[in-house]
Amino acid sequence: DTGVSQNPRHKITKRGQNVTFRCDPISEHNRLYWYRQTLGQGPEFLTYFQNEAQLEKSRLLSDRFSAERPKGSFSTLEIQRTEQGDSAMYLCASTEGADTQYFGPGTRLTVL
Amino acid sequence: EDQVTQSPEALRLQEGESSSLNCSYTVSGLRGLFWYRQDPGKGPEFLFTLYSAGEEKEKERLKATLTKKESFLHITAPKPEDSATYLCAVQALSGNTPLVFGKGTRLSVIA
Repeated sequence: DTGVSQNPRHKITKRGQNVTFRCDPISEHNRLYWYRQTLGQGPEFLTYFQNEAQLEKSRLLSDRFSAERPKGSFSTLEIQRTEQGDSAMYLCASTEGADTQYFGPGTRLTVL
Repeated sequence: EDQVTQSPEALRLQEGESSSLNCSYTVSGLRGLFWYRQDPGKGPEFLFTLYSAGEEKEKERLKATLTKKESFLHITAPKPEDSATYLCAVQALSGNTPLVFGKGTRLSVIA
């Protein structure tokens, strides 16, 4: 069990550029969650997958955000036309069933 | 709407000075209450899950308790390495819902 991994760990981009993050969950975990965390706040839910199906999306997830989980394994989160307000830590968590969620180290996004 | 409020926002303790962190919650049927530890620049690290009022769990210097309205994280004789942000989160009964987090308590333990 190697834990949840996320890449890249840090991303600096200019406003208007597109960025993509990757999350590799704990093997055999069928549920995968994306959260966003800004300074001084707790993580906020963005979206989640059960296997390859995206079952719920938060109202925080604007049209510029899209997530996929092909074949129910790793997941990607893409942000198009980034804005300075997108600067945050993007966290991925995985779980088997409805059990405890285990988080990855996060991807820190800075939009200049 | 499910809600979690943590207090205090920040806590500074001398090494060995025991204290408690509070997590008050409102949820439409509680499936579980979770405590995580988060170090700066890292993802949350799981500590405890509590499922029903009266339940208690312990790990080293930490002990978590749960009532119908709040949870406490008791820290006994803390050490500097216990310095971190402690996050509380709830999950509603449906089980498919995401975690709803509080803003956390930033704990500093001074040697």
